[in-house]
Amino acid sequence: AQSVTQLDSHVSVSEGTPVLLRCNYSSSYSPSLFWYVQHPNKGLQLLLKYTSAATLVKGINGFEAEFKKSETSFHLTKPSAHMSDAAEYFCVVSGAGTASKLTFGTGTRLQVTL
Amino acid sequence: EAGVTQSPTHLIKTRGQQATLRCSPISGHTSVYWYQQALGLGLQFLLWYDEGEERNRGNFPPRFSGRQFPNYSSELNVNALELEDSALYLCASSLAGGIFGNTIYFGEGSWLTVV
Repeated sequence: AQSVTQLDSHVSVSEGTPVLLRCNYSSSYSPSLFWYVQHPNKGLQLLLKYTSAATLVKGINGFEAEFKKSETSFHLTKPSAHMSDAAEYFCVVSGAGTASKLTFGTGTRLQVTL
Repeated sequence: EAGVTQSPTHLIKTRGQQATLRCSPISGHTSVYWYQQALGLGLQFLLWYDEGEERNRGNFPPRFSGRQFPNYSSELNVNALELEDSALYLCASSLAGGIFGNTIYFGEGSWLTVV
């Protein structure tokens, strides 16, 4: 079985300040972990993915995430928020034996204010 | 290079009717996935097709069905529509063999409204 828990349903930051979106996972297998972003009325865009290589994963648009097995966490960070980062962010887990089923978290809505 | 394309963008149907949604994967991709994003229920896995075969199915009733064509495009059919079927239906694609080790790319979705 696998699951992800996104610890915050809503995060608000000021433009230019750091972003932290938190995700904990549970997986019976060695997991693959992803962060996707969804802008209003749009599909999902892959930000980054972890597949058991380097634990610090760099993605697009300045985002990165660190896989911490001891804490079963995969938090998403960005040093400086931009207005265009306002969107819904999904933490996603999968792994061998899951027959290609992605399990999504419930999402974190990021608000960026001036 | 074109991404995953879905049609129609919006569809309004009456309860009890059938809806058909279409998806064209990225060129070279042979795996296609369908997800439902309904208000309050989040993103839920519907179906996975790989090389023309249904490989996995989510926890949805049989009135949700689909198929994958020889050109790897896919169709999702929803029969006997119910009001709660109103949702954004997202299609995704990847290289062959499923998601493990592959990157999944999503389309922009088809909005289905059942009235």
